[in-house]
Amino acid sequence: GENVEQHPSTLSVQEGDSAVIKCTYSDSASNYFPWYKQELGKRPQLIIDIRSNVGEKKDQRIAVTLNKTAKHFSLHITETQPEDSAVYFCAAPDDKIIFGKGTRLHILP
Amino acid sequence: EADIYQTPRYLVIGTGKKITLECSQTMGHDKMYWYQQDPGMELHLIHYSYGVNSTEKGDLSSESTVSRIRTEHFPLTLESARPSHTSQYLCASSSISSFPNTEAFFGQGTRLTVV
Repeated sequence: GENVEQHPSTLSVQEGDSAVIKCTYSDSASNYFPWYKQELGKRPQLIIDIRSNVGEKKDQRIAVTLNKTAKHFSLHITETQPEDSAVYFCAAPDDKIIFGKGTRLHILP
Repeated sequence: EADIYQTPRYLVIGTGKKITLECSQTMGHDKMYWYQQDPGMELHLIHYSYGVNSTEKGDLSSESTVSRIRTEHFPLTLESARPSHTSQYLCASSSISSFPNTEAFFGQGTRLTVV
């Protein structure tokens, strides 16, 4: 089955700087790569996703890049703001949805 | 409004009791999932279902069972609650569309405490 590795587990960045979170997956057949954000006390929600037929997707300050050869995909957040503080999860769904272990992002004032 | 609903939101129960956590979705989704999550930590897949009469075990060994008699309903039952079951339980659903996998939508969770 699919195996998803997510790094780092914790990330602290100064407000206004960029943050990058990386996930690697094992199943070459995977073709859909979502990122979820979970704020404190709330449910996870999709923030951006990418399908295997493109290498990059951008939505305002967030972007996801995919390297199918190396089997990894990354979340990029630019111009970070306090409201970006949360736990972020990647996933590499096949017949079920397996999530990475999560990255706790702290935005420092 | 289309959503995924979990009840109860909070539950405190004694050791050895049988409990059922309810999950219903009005999104018309085929796939449903149960995850166990300690606050802000990893999401552990307990059970999932492709549709009516389909149930599969996830990666987390659990003394729980599920059923899928109706498309919209996916209850989770603990036959004998233990303190180690204290956690948050999240239900999720997703659609089988023209692509193999799409966005998962989560319920607000049930926070279970076993005393």
